[in-house]
Amino acid sequence: QVQLVESGGGLVKPGGSLRLSCAASGFIFSDYYMNWIRQAPGKGLEWVSYISSGGSSIYYADSVKGRFTISRDNAKNSLYLHMNSLRAEDTAVYYCARESPLIVGGTDAFDIWGQGTMVTVSS
Amino acid sequence: SYVLTQPPSVSVAPGQTARITCGGNKIGSKSVQWYQQKPGQAPVLVVYDDSDRPSGIPERFSGSNSGNTATLTISRVEAGDEADYYCQVWDTNNSHPLFGGGTKLTVL
Repeated sequence: QVQLVESGGGLVKPGGSLRLSCAASGFIFSDYYMNWIRQAPGKGLEWVSYISSGGSSIYYADSVKGRFTISRDNAKNSLYLHMNSLRAEDTAVYYCARESPLIVGGTDAFDIWGQGTMVTVSS
Repeated sequence: SYVLTQPPSVSVAPGQTARITCGGNKIGSKSVQWYQQKPGQAPVLVVYDDSDRPSGIPERFSGSNSGNTATLTISRVEAGDEADYYCQVWDTNNSHPLFGGGTKLTVL
């Protein structure tokens, strides 16, 4: 079935680095834009980054620009988020989400989400 | 920058109708999505393009959008509808999505 599975979260010290992965299955991964969206404990959803289907177009939230790098490997059906210079405020569950228009000509929505991976930044 | 405003909480008795609002400047000119998130789970898309439902979402979930307010309506509320609900639009200026702060729906 259509599925996204994140991995790579954990405990890291401030200033440290971490790489998150998202494995896709059940759909043609290379056809879709992909996003990382995070949720701090007890807080709402915050968009982090986006990458186009071929990887040529990338955007970041201002809060992570210059520190995080999104990438994808369509041959491996995988999405990545490289996180450097981590701060306490980056502590959150990180979700990968598929972006898709559900109808032709419609607005994109996040129609498939992974289960999330927890990143904790603490000394 | 564009801001989406949701009430922090809404309470409703089982069988009644819940209405969750999402306010934004001229939000009626944008397309609104709604996501349901139950505790410990990932969000699930329940309404897209203001009022359409993805496959598998009950007809009890409906949406509307006009002026400065979008509304998610849940009819015949069930205990299983208890969750956080988030509205989302696209900030076309910055080409990225914006989420509302979320509304916790409590079924009394």
